[in-house]
Amino acid sequence: QKEVEQDPGPLSVPEGAIVSLNCTYSNSAFQYFMWYRQYSRKGPELLMYTYSSGNKEDGRFTAQVDKSSKYISLFIRDSQPSDSATYLCAMILLKAAGNKLTFGGGTRVLVKP
Amino acid sequence: GAVVSQHPSWVICKSGTSVKIECRSLDFQATTMFWYRQFPKQSLMLMATSNEGSKATYEQGVEKDKFLINHASLTLSTLTVTSAHPEDSSFYICSARGGDAGALGAKNIQYFGAGTRLSVL
Repeated sequence: QKEVEQDPGPLSVPEGAIVSLNCTYSNSAFQYFMWYRQYSRKGPELLMYTYSSGNKEDGRFTAQVDKSSKYISLFIRDSQPSDSATYLCAMILLKAAGNKLTFGGGTRVLVKP
Repeated sequence: GAVVSQHPSWVICKSGTSVKIECRSLDFQATTMFWYRQFPKQSLMLMATSNEGSKATYEQGVEKDKFLINHASLTLSTLTVTSAHPEDSSFYICSARGGDAGALGAKNIQYFGAGTRLSVL
């Protein structure tokens, strides 16, 4: 079982719809939770990061963390064709060395005009 | 803020030659930089972690003599693919993490470069 599970998609939605993405994880010690957007042949771009359970909003994006269920979500409101990309969730387990990112496999999103 | 520049974006080289990729943090000091490799339709695979002024720590299965990493300053890390072969063709991405990259907590967050596509003929 992977430490972080993410549905690969593709997730296809019409323009203007809400995109709902989620990841589940197995290690309850993860402390930071990030969402990255990656366009084809580009590096990942940080969208949001959270540290605690609850909601965090930034423009059209809302990130949710439920540590008790080991479940995180990203919602994209009023989706645009330019939101078509692969979305990666990532988590950090803070420790003395490394603080490496553990990625989900990514969800490909297609927003159709 | 938190901009990471990676250069070149695309490089084509002949088999047996070496290629150097640069990764720079433009507006913060990167105490730690990471190098990843990504195959098509797959997630990022961590190759190595480097701290400024120290030797890089390589992930299991990554040849340290083939993938030379130097992190000589707080804003620059380089990855050199030595004696490149066609199987080294891939998308290489760096990331950086630093103590002054934005708001509280951001020091633990990795910011990525745009990636380098390496094609070895």
